[in-house]
Amino acid sequence: EDKVVQSPLSLVVHEGDTVTLNCSYEVTNFRSLLWYKQEKKAPTFLFMLTSSGIEKKSGRLSSILDKKELFSILNITATQTGDSAVYLCAVEDRDDKIIFGKGTRLHILP
Amino acid sequence: DAGITQSPRHKVTETGTPVTLRCHQTENHRYMYWYRQDPGHGLRLIHYSYGVKDTDKGEVSDGYSVSRSKTEDFLLTLESATSSQTSVYFCAAERLGGDGYTFGSGTRLTVV
Repeated sequence: EDKVVQSPLSLVVHEGDTVTLNCSYEVTNFRSLLWYKQEKKAPTFLFMLTSSGIEKKSGRLSSILDKKELFSILNITATQTGDSAVYLCAVEDRDDKIIFGKGTRLHILP
Repeated sequence: DAGITQSPRHKVTETGTPVTLRCHQTENHRYMYWYRQDPGHGLRLIHYSYGVKDTDKGEVSDGYSVSRSKTEDFLLTLESATSSQTSVYFCAAERLGGDGYTFGSGTRLTVV
């Protein structure tokens, strides 16, 4: 059965800290891995990763995929209170199905 | 943005009644998805569509049906709502450029 496992489930850090969120997966016919940020309503897209070892970066956020070890990490440097959210990892297979992990709830203390 | 609109935004209904949720997109995307989101479960795929009249089941499809008679509309129907179907429902479509997905704002459904 396909699955996506995120860790930790929740995390509390102080503003300015760096955090690393983890996502491991077991998916038949992997196509891509997706990261989303969800604040109050709908998830918003962060990154899409398809190739191993190539870092995607957007401001203080970055992500990398390891297709051999079947995991991805999302890094946030110099965290701000606005980074507080649930971060969702999802994996898409070649049948166009997308499976989500349960998310990591990140809380940044001022 | 995929220009996704979900309706209604909120709905309260009684057990045993039929309910239809609508997802409308304006970007002519082929792929559309319905998810439900519940505490402790994250987002779970209900059904998805890869074209007009082409749909398939997701991981939690029991009790739900979908229809896609036009590219822009993807309907989710609960034939006989149950309290276990109280949830927030999200529709998603593929982003322009094919590099991810955009979600609608969600429909909060309460079955009493």
